Amino acid sequence: AQKVTQAQTEISVVEKEDVTLDCVYETRDTTYYLFWYKQPPSGELVFLIRRNSFDEQNEISGRYSWNFQKSTSSFNFTITASQVVDSAVYFCALRNGLLGGTSYGKLTFGQGTILTVHP
Amino acid sequence: GAVVSQHPSWVICKSGTSVKIECRSLDFQATTMFWYRQFPKQSLMLMATSNEGSKATYEQGVEKDKFLINHASLTLSTLTVTSAHPEDSSFYICSARVLGLSYNEQFFGPGTRLTVL
Repeated sequence: AQKVTQAQTEISVVEKEDVTLDCVYETRDTTYYLFWYKQPPSGELVFLIRRNSFDEQNEISGRYSWNFQKSTSSFNFTITASQVVDSAVYFCALRNGLLGGTSYGKLTFGQGTILTVHP
Repeated sequence: GAVVSQHPSWVICKSGTSVKIECRSLDFQATTMFWYRQFPKQSLMLMATSNEGSKATYEQGVEKDKFLINHASLTLSTLTVTSAHPEDSSFYICSARVLGLSYNEQFFGPGTRLTVL
């Protein structure tokens, strides 16, 4: 069974602070994909990143960066110099990479972390 | 590109009535669509997976006779909540997937907020 744990339920920071959102996952698959999504108050999920299990390179995109550590089954997300517009719920998700079958493509979401950035 | 729409965006209905929610892929053909449910301040829980032209696969604990899913074409899937009750009030989100389309291979709709009185 797959499981994603986001231990931080809520985080509150002041604008310009750096913040890291933790994500720990469990899977028996050797091929899998990890995702981060942002859900603003409007409710629509915004895709942020996908990482496959064979690529442990960290990635940076503007103020966003991701740290994938296979050894600790973690895929953490850091926002540098946070802004009020970053306030949202952030979800980490896991999908297996096996082609075909009824479970292919199914995303398992973590519980989400509510990030509030105060001006 | 890769836009998924849902209709309606919100609906209020009386207990005992049925509600249909549409999920459309606007500019691509979706071989698979997923339906999720999200209660307030909770995570997204997968309800079912539907492949065009075949019966949906429901997750454990989801009543298939209550949540009817139809995926009649490569661009449209519908979720019908039959005999809705207040406990069915939730945010319903669909997503559509095409194999090998792009880096982000699953695209989410904007969601439908259902309130059952």
